[in-house]
Amino acid sequence: DAGITQSPRHKVTETGTPVTLRCHQTENHRYMYWYRQDPGHGLRLIHYSYGVKDTDKGEVSDGYSVSRSKTEDFLLTLESATSSQTSVYFCAISTTGETDTQYFGPGTRLTVL
Amino acid sequence: AQSVSQHNHHVILSEAASLELGCNYSYGGTVNLFWYVQYPGQHLQLLLKYFSGDPLVKGIKGFEAEFIKSKFSFNLRKPSVQWSDTAEYFCAVNWPGTASKLTFGTGTRLQVTL
Repeated sequence: DAGITQSPRHKVTETGTPVTLRCHQTENHRYMYWYRQDPGHGLRLIHYSYGVKDTDKGEVSDGYSVSRSKTEDFLLTLESATSSQTSVYFCAISTTGETDTQYFGPGTRLTVL
Repeated sequence: AQSVSQHNHHVILSEAASLELGCNYSYGGTVNLFWYVQYPGQHLQLLLKYFSGDPLVKGIKGFEAEFIKSKFSFNLRKPSVQWSDTAEYFCAVNWPGTASKLTFGTGTRLQVTL
């Protein structure tokens, strides 16, 4: 398995509170991604990064922000959590981009009450 | 918009039955294609991938997939399923020029009965 960890693995929070999820890799891969997984939707891309301090939006970026100050860490922040953001969040990494494979972390289950 | 369709949402098979899961994508041209599997409570694992070359791709655990460009399809097959294949299967597509961003299908839940 790729060296990807996510923290926390489970979190329960209340509507309106800020939440930060962390993805950490030991592979020194350039590309990192945040997805959310919801029943009936598969996985949808939230944000991705193509290098330190280089990020871009994905399909469902509203309500989320990201930061990448080091190659190994990619943070996903929900500035003010809402119940619609209850989901399982997966981080993924890849080396070179288009002709590469993405490898996924173990996921974070977030519940917003 | 680019999209990926998996028409089988829930499939129930007996052990030793053959499996075929459909995957179609919306946009022509060059694509990179993937099948991932998610066992209960676990993260996604790569089953197989297609970038170019032989359109029949073999993956892990006896799975294979065939890329048919004219049909925009990349169906997953296994000649004889096992109970341990019970999982959710996701097809994903990467279109060139999209920084390796994957578009996923909604997934197919496979249940294999003894």
